[in-house]
Amino acid sequence: QVTLKESGPVLVKPTETLTLTCTVSGFSLSESRMGVSWIRQPPGKALEWLAHIFSSDGKSFNTSLKSRLAISKDTSKSQVVLTVTNMDPVDTATYYCARVIVGVLNNNYYYALDIWGQGTTVTVSS
Amino acid sequence: SDELTQPPSVSVSPGQTARITCSGDALPKQYASWYQQKPGLAPILLIHKDTERPSTTPERFSGSSSGTAVTLTIRGVQAEDEADYYCQSSDRSGIYVVFGGGTKLTVL
Repeated sequence: QVTLKESGPVLVKPTETLTLTCTVSGFSLSESRMGVSWIRQPPGKALEWLAHIFSSDGKSFNTSLKSRLAISKDTSKSQVVLTVTNMDPVDTATYYCARVIVGVLNNNYYYALDIWGQGTTVTVSS
Repeated sequence: SDELTQPPSVSVSPGQTARITCSGDALPKQYASWYQQKPGLAPILLIHKDTERPSTTPERFSGSSSGTAVTLTIRGVQAEDEADYYCQSSDRSGIYVVFGGGTKLTVL
């Protein structure tokens, strides 16, 4: 059974750095065509993709947030870590990690976030 | 633009057919997925590669694609289908993941 679980602080202060960990089980972070994405959702708002990392260690970031994001993985620990610097109250959201399957078919890319963690709520406040 | 546009809301009576569209300039080039999200819960993958349904997705859910739009169709809508639905694809380069703004489905 594939599961993902997010962990990290519930509350951070403005300007601080947020560090979130996604611990996965049921699959390996070294499996090809698979990776882990981070997505967030402010209260009452839409999903926003943040970043992903793949078995090759290839990474991509939301262009609007790229300067504030970092992502890494520890395959031996089955963990993916996301850091967000310079947190602001507008970054208050539920943060999700999800397994992502990627591929190319007929020269077109596909991404499927097939298994999601339960999410962790982060509030930014002084 | 690589943005994905969805209607904010769709309403349908039980037993009827609901259609939720998602439009974006990159859709002719990249595949789309659809997710269902109920209040307080994480999203669930419903459709991937425009039309493929995971084994866990009920058969009343289907996806289609035409040009710059993809459509999620729910036949025989049930009360339990009331939820937010999100489309997702990638930008034209295939590097970045993009979500639509979400559509709230109300079952009257």
